[in-house]
Amino acid sequence: DQQVKQNSPSLSVQEGRISILNCDYTNSMFDYFLWYKKYPAEGPTFLISISSIKDKNEDGRFTVFLNKSAKHLSLHIVPSQPGDSAVYFCAASREGTYKYIFGTGTRLKVLA
Amino acid sequence: GAVVSQHPSRVICKSGTSVKIECRSLDFQATTMFWYRQFPKKSLMLMATSNEGSKATYEQGVEKDKFLINHASLTLSTLTVTSAHPEDSSFYICSATRDAASYEQYFGPGTRLTVT
Repeated sequence: DQQVKQNSPSLSVQEGRISILNCDYTNSMFDYFLWYKKYPAEGPTFLISISSIKDKNEDGRFTVFLNKSAKHLSLHIVPSQPGDSAVYFCAASREGTYKYIFGTGTRLKVLA
Repeated sequence: GAVVSQHPSRVICKSGTSVKIECRSLDFQATTMFWYRQFPKKSLMLMATSNEGSKATYEQGVEKDKFLINHASLTLSTLTVTSAHPEDSSFYICSATRDAASYEQYFGPGTRLTVT
C-alpha cells in the first residue's frame, strides 16, 4: 500500500521555465511533508518542508504548496536550472513519529 | 550543517557471507538513526529505526535476524547483512536526526551492495 505517491516518474522542462512536481498522499494523519533531491549513487539532500498548519512555504527558487483537503502537495522550482536535474522525492511524516514515508520519486530533467 | 557518512560506499560480496555497513554522524550526536533500502527506480523503503543503546525497531516485513542493527554510540550505527544473497543487492542509505523532536533527517551518501 503506497501511502505517498508521485504519479509522474519523469518530467522534462526547459531551462528558465517552471518545474512542477506533484505528490499525493492517502493518510490524513500525516502532518509534516518534505521534499528531497537525490543524485545517482548519493543520499537524498533536504530541499524544503511544510507542516500541515501551512499551505505554502517558500525558500528561494523552491516553493512547496500543500492542499490538505485534496491530500496533495507540489514543489515548484522557478526558474529551473540544469543543475536541478535529479530525482525528487516527497516524504510524509505522521504525528507522533519521526519516520518518513517516501514517494516513488520523479526524475526531473532541465534542458539547457 | 550536519554531515552523515557511510562506509563502505560500495561493496561486492559472495553469497552466504556477511557484510557490515557503518553510518556515522560526523559533527553532531544522533539520537536516532534510520536505515533505508532503495531498489532500482523505486522509493526509499524504511527498514528500521535505531536509538542509541536500545534495540532497533524493524518495519513490517524486514527480517531482524538477517539485517542486524547496532547503535552503539550517539555517532555510530551499523547494519550487518547476514548470509547475504543476490536478492539483498541494493542501495542502503542511513539517516540521522539531531534530536528526538526533530523532523529533519540528514542522509548519508549510501552504500551499494552487490551480492554475487
